[in-house]
Amino acid sequence: GAVVSQHPSWVICKSGTSVKIECRSLDFQATTMFWYRQFPKQSLMLMATSNEGSKATYEQGVEKDKFLINHASLTLSTLTVTSAHPEDSSFYICSAQRTSGTPYEQYFGPGTRLTVT
Amino acid sequence: SQQGEEDPQALSIQEGENATMNCSYKTSINNLQWYRQNSGRGLVHLILIRSNEREKHSGRLRVTLDTSKKSSSLLITASRAADTASYFCATLTQGGSEKLVFGKGTKLTVNP
Repeated sequence: GAVVSQHPSWVICKSGTSVKIECRSLDFQATTMFWYRQFPKQSLMLMATSNEGSKATYEQGVEKDKFLINHASLTLSTLTVTSAHPEDSSFYICSAQRTSGTPYEQYFGPGTRLTVT
Repeated sequence: SQQGEEDPQALSIQEGENATMNCSYKTSINNLQWYRQNSGRGLVHLILIRSNEREKHSGRLRVTLDTSKKSSSLLITASRAADTASYFCATLTQGGSEKLVFGKGTKLTVNP
């Protein structure tokens, strides 16, 4: 159990366009989901915390108007990169936290590689 | 912000040898977790150690935690080529936040 999926697994888009990435918890409900960004050979940096039915909480330095997060249900959160630029090219990973059961454990998705040309 | 600092940044060993990775952190924590990431893939949770625990085992993994030194170590015994991956520590800080703060990671290469 505790499987998290992301779609798409990779995407190439042109500069100036928007890209939506989905994060789904497949076999459990997640009140809270997290979005991370990882540059090559670097660690994961938390971008924002997404809570079902409320606005996301963004980390310092992350533009909320550029990275739109919607957590419309207990199994789905989406990250939309608006007006993407080449510097937004990165590996985006989401994680989901169960609404019940083991606290603090996050289950990670397989990641989405975004390349902006 | 990056709380954890792993060392070494890269480690190359022969199959069968043990691999030890260390992690240091700065603030008081609720627990510390170790994750594994194969190249270009998502993270796999390996083990969680709570702040009141000093050592934990899971299969070939052994994790220690020294809260006085704000450090942890991950030992992989009898390494295999399939253990080749990046390993990250992540801390959950005290104070109610459920955010994980990841270290920079150690890239482990196990040569067959």
